[in-house]
Amino acid sequence: KQEVTQIPAALSVPEGENLVLNCSFTDSAIYNLQWFRQDPGKGLTSLLLIQSSQREQTSGRLNASLDKSSGRSTLYIAASQPGDSATYLCAVRSGNTGKLIFGQGTTLQVKP
Amino acid sequence: DAGITQSPRHKVTETGTPVTLRCHQTENHRYMYWYRQDPGHGLRLIHYSYGVKDTDKGEVSDGYSVSRSKTEDFLLTLESATSSQTSVYFCAISESEQPIAAPRGEQFFGPGTRLTVL
Repeated sequence: KQEVTQIPAALSVPEGENLVLNCSFTDSAIYNLQWFRQDPGKGLTSLLLIQSSQREQTSGRLNASLDKSSGRSTLYIAASQPGDSATYLCAVRSGNTGKLIFGQGTTLQVKP
Repeated sequence: DAGITQSPRHKVTETGTPVTLRCHQTENHRYMYWYRQDPGHGLRLIHYSYGVKDTDKGEVSDGYSVSRSKTEDFLLTLESATSSQTSVYFCAISESEQPIAAPRGEQFFGPGTRLTVL
């Protein structure tokens, strides 16, 4: 059974820092991995999708990497801003139906 | 943003009453999903649909049923609501390049429905 873990559960950093969020999964046979952002009381916003054949994806200040063999993905946020404060979720798709298995999330606070 | 709406956005109901939540999409995506989000459990899949009238169970399907009579609408029904079904419910969609292919890419989520069962 696929399990997804995100560490740390919470992170507080000063504005301007570069930071890394971690995601690990137990079964390396994945189709893709998706990173989301969730603001309090809101829905999920898709940030980046990495297909199983890819090593990384970039969007603006965000860079996500994928190492299938070790069951790990990282989300790198450059030059963090207070507006980046949110919960970040990673999810993996293992089967051919599109079902996602989610981690518990990392709650990020960026202090001005 | 993907065109996904959920209704109602908030609902309070009593134990034992039936409840139906609606997800509506304007993207013509084939796949639709219902998740629930709970503290300590994260997001878990309830049911999903891979086409009109084609549905299947997720990991927490007990006490829930779904229906999809049109591409754009996916309904989640709690036959007899219980307090353990108090949660935030999210609908999601994903596309498929071919009618029988597995969904290729991203899942897009709706704004959620906050359900309280007293």
